[in-house]
Amino acid sequence: KNQVEQSPQSLIILEGKNCTLQCNYTVSPFSNLRWYKQDTGRGPVSLTIMTFSENTKSNGRYTATLDADTKQSSLHITASQLSDSASYICVVGSGGSYIPTFGRGTSLIVHP
Amino acid sequence: EAGVTQFPSHSVIEKGQTVTLRCDPISGHDNLYWYRRVMGKEIKFLLHFVKESKQDESGMPNNRFLAERTGGTYSTLKVQPAELEDSGVYFCASSPTLAHNEQFFGPGTRLTVL
Repeated sequence: KNQVEQSPQSLIILEGKNCTLQCNYTVSPFSNLRWYKQDTGRGPVSLTIMTFSENTKSNGRYTATLDADTKQSSLHITASQLSDSASYICVVGSGGSYIPTFGRGTSLIVHP
Repeated sequence: EAGVTQFPSHSVIEKGQTVTLRCDPISGHDNLYWYRRVMGKEIKFLLHFVKESKQDESGMPNNRFLAERTGGTYSTLKVQPAELEDSGVYFCASSPTLAHNEQFFGPGTRLTVL
């Protein structure tokens, strides 16, 4: 069964600090991995996408890494801002299927 | 360009009633997806349309759920009769071409069944 596990479940940090969110997956065959940001009351918005051959991808202050051997990914947020407060969801696509597998997300709160 | 829109944003109904959710995808997107997130769980796939045709409805929970996409534009998801366990946030997403391209999500409809 395809699964995506995220940790931590929730995280509180001070504005300006860095943080790293984790994603472990058991999806086969692997196609791609996306990190989404979901603000309260809104739908998920894609931050980064990585395929099997990519091990890092940046989008501004967001940097995602992928280790396809260990089936792990991380999302690093640099110099956090209040607007980074949101749920971050790891989503893994399977080769040959358009049905992605979602993690439960990490709820990030950035305090001033 | 307008994104994916969903209506209503919230719906509170009693068990046994009927509710219809609507999704308007991004114009020109042939692929339309419905997902659901039950409280405390991950987002799960319900079904996929390509234009007006149901490509995959393997995620639909049971026959109380009926999705349509007449004319290949907007889509509706009807729940009849609603049960308590149907409560959750229903997301719609669309993509311009198949499969592995990015899906653009709507804001979701929060359904509460009392």
